[in-house]
Amino acid sequence: GQSLEQPSEVTAVEGAIVQINCTYQTSGFYGLSWYQQHDGGAPTFLSYNALDGLEETGRFSSFLSRSDSYGYLLLQELQMKDSASYFCAVRGDSSYKLIFGSGTRLLVRP
Amino acid sequence: EPEVTQTPSHQVTQMGQEVILRCVPISNHLYFYWYRQILGQKVEFLVSFYNNEISEKSEIFDDQFSVERPDGSNFTLKIRSTKLEDSAMYFCASSHRTGGSSYEQYFGPGTRLTVT
Repeated sequence: GQSLEQPSEVTAVEGAIVQINCTYQTSGFYGLSWYQQHDGGAPTFLSYNALDGLEETGRFSSFLSRSDSYGYLLLQELQMKDSASYFCAVRGDSSYKLIFGSGTRLLVRP
Repeated sequence: EPEVTQTPSHQVTQMGQEVILRCVPISNHLYFYWYRQILGQKVEFLVSFYNNEISEKSEIFDDQFSVERPDGSNFTLKIRSTKLEDSAMYFCASSHRTGGSSYEQYFGPGTRLTVT
């Protein structure tokens, strides 16, 4: 089977840096993605890692360690609008379906 | 910027009734998906569709569910006889085929289905 673990909730202050971790167990592995979802909204793609290392896109970075079955999303210079749920998702086999984690609710305080 | 659209935004139906949820994927995308999200829970894969046929389906996608691409633009999800537990937000998504962008799925705004 496939499972992903991530913290249920994280709180941080505006301007700070926050890291959201994700560990996964899959029979195969084709990549780890991160999606942002505001309340009542649709998931929006943030980043994707297929290989070990750090991928940076503006204020957001994502890291992957395939040997540890672990990844994280790093959000810098937090803004109030970053308050949302963040989901890690794996592509565990040759199909393109995504298996999502349960999500981490990020609350950014002033 | 192209986007996935879904209609209706909210559908209320009685248990046992049939519903059809509609989606217009991004025009040059080749893979189409339906996911659902029960309130407060994670997004769950239902089905993927490629080259006019189902490429994969989950355990949730039983005989009550079907998908169709009736023309070159629409992609529909039909639930034949709705149950209370089908109440959820249903998201349509689409993606490219080749390269890294195939892993980036674009989600529509969702249809909130309420079964009473």
